[in-house]
Amino acid sequence: AQTVTQSQPEMSVQEAETVTLSCTYDTSESNYYLFWYKQPPSRQMILVIRQEAYKQQNATENRFSVNFQKAAKSFSLKISDSQLGDTAMYFCAFSPTLTNTGNQFYFGTGTSLTVIP
Amino acid sequence: DAGVTQSPTHLIKTRGQQVTLRCSPISGHKSVSWYQQVLGQGPQFIFQYYEKEERGRGNFPDRFSARQFPNYSSELNVNALLLGDSALYLCASSPGYSYEQYFGPGTRLTVT
Repeated sequence: AQTVTQSQPEMSVQEAETVTLSCTYDTSESNYYLFWYKQPPSRQMILVIRQEAYKQQNATENRFSVNFQKAAKSFSLKISDSQLGDTAMYFCAFSPTLTNTGNQFYFGTGTSLTVIP
Repeated sequence: DAGVTQSPTHLIKTRGQQVTLRCSPISGHKSVSWYQQVLGQGPQFIFQYYEKEERGRGNFPDRFSARQFPNYSSELNVNALLLGDSALYLCASSPGYSYEQYFGPGTRLTVT
C-alpha cells in the first residue's frame, strides 16, 4: 500500500523568510513521481513542483525547491523568500509507475502554511 | 487556454438523493480523474477515465459511478447520498496516460 504522511498540520513563516515543509511516503515501487501541490482558499489545486524518483538531482522551481531522499523516503519542500501569496494548504502527493489500473495519486493530509507580514 | 472546468460550484442535497457532477478537461486532454476531498484531509482517488474507458477505481462504494463522453468531458454520479459524502469533489485532467494532472476548482457538495 502507498501512504503519504505530512506531520506538520500547520506552519507559519515571516514574509521573506525560508520555510521547509516535511513529507514522507511509503511504497515498494522503485519508480514513481512525487509532487507538491498548493491549494489556496480559492480551492484550486496548483502544481508547485515535481520530482521523478529516478533523478538524483533535486527539482527547483524559482523560490521552491525539494530535498528528495529516496532511501529515507523523504520529500521536503523549501520555500525561500516567502511571500504573502504563498499562504495556502500544501499537499504532498505520490504517483506510482503507470499501470493498467490507472494513474492514481496519493495525497498527504496537508500542511496549512501562513505567511505573516 | 481554458483550464479544467467543473459544474456546479456548490450543491446542497438531502440524504438519499442522487447527484451528478460535471467536468470538462483542458482541450486536448484525454484522461479525467475524480477525487473526493473531505474537509481537513487530502484528496482521495475515486476514478480515472482514459479514452472513455475506466482505468482506475479507488476504494469507494458502488454508489459512486462515472463516465466519460466522446468529447472527453466526464460526469461523476453518486446515488443514495449519505452525510459522509459531503466534500469537495475535484476533477483533474491529463494530456494522456501520464503523470501530469491539472485540477479544476472543484464542486462543493453538502448533504443535509
